[in-house]
Amino acid sequence: QVQLVESGGGVVQPGRSLRLSCAASGFTFSSYGMHWVRQAPGKGLEWVALIWYDGNNKYYADSVKGRFTISRDNSKNTLYLQVNSLRAEDTAVYYCARMKGGDATGLSSFDIWGQGTMVTVSS
Amino acid sequence: QSVLTQPPSVSAAPGQKVTISCSGSSSNIANDYVSWYQQLPGTAPKLLIYDNNKRPSGIPDRFSGSKSGTSATLGITGLQTGDEADYYCGTWDSSLSSVVFGGGTKLTVL
Repeated sequence: QVQLVESGGGVVQPGRSLRLSCAASGFTFSSYGMHWVRQAPGKGLEWVALIWYDGNNKYYADSVKGRFTISRDNSKNTLYLQVNSLRAEDTAVYYCARMKGGDATGLSSFDIWGQGTMVTVSS
Repeated sequence: QSVLTQPPSVSAAPGQKVTISCSGSSSNIANDYVSWYQQLPGTAPKLLIYDNNKRPSGIPDRFSGSKSGTSATLGITGLQTGDEADYYCGTWDSSLSSVVFGGGTKLTVL
């Protein structure tokens, strides 16, 4: 079945780095744009980054620009988020999500979500 | 503070109808398509509405979406206790070159 599975989260000290992964299965990964969205404990959704289906275009939220890097390996059906210079305010569940294809036109329609991976930034 | 503005909470009785508003600006809602998500406690968000008013397969027609100018609305009819969740609107903001979400609305079915 169509599925996204995140991994790589954990407890990390401020200033350190992590690489989050999102393994896709059940669909042609290389045909879809992909996003990262995060949610701090008890808070709302915050969009983090977008990468085009071919990796040629990337967009970031201002809050992570210059610290986070989104990438993908279409040969491995995997999406990545390199998170550097972590801060306490980066503590959140990080979701990967697929941009809806087909008849969808808007860039904010995410039709498949992973279960999320928790990142806790604490000394 | 979210770019899109939603009421923090709404409530209604089972079987009734509720609407959730989402207010934005000319650089976001007025300029692009709006999506709506339902997030049940402890779960990932689920796409309810995309491109302002389209429903993905499997979403009942009790859920509807509309847009006018810089505002969008999610409507839910025939409320059920299982509809109790947080609801989020989202769209692309051309000034920020980013996806923006509303702060979320908690629906309580009394």
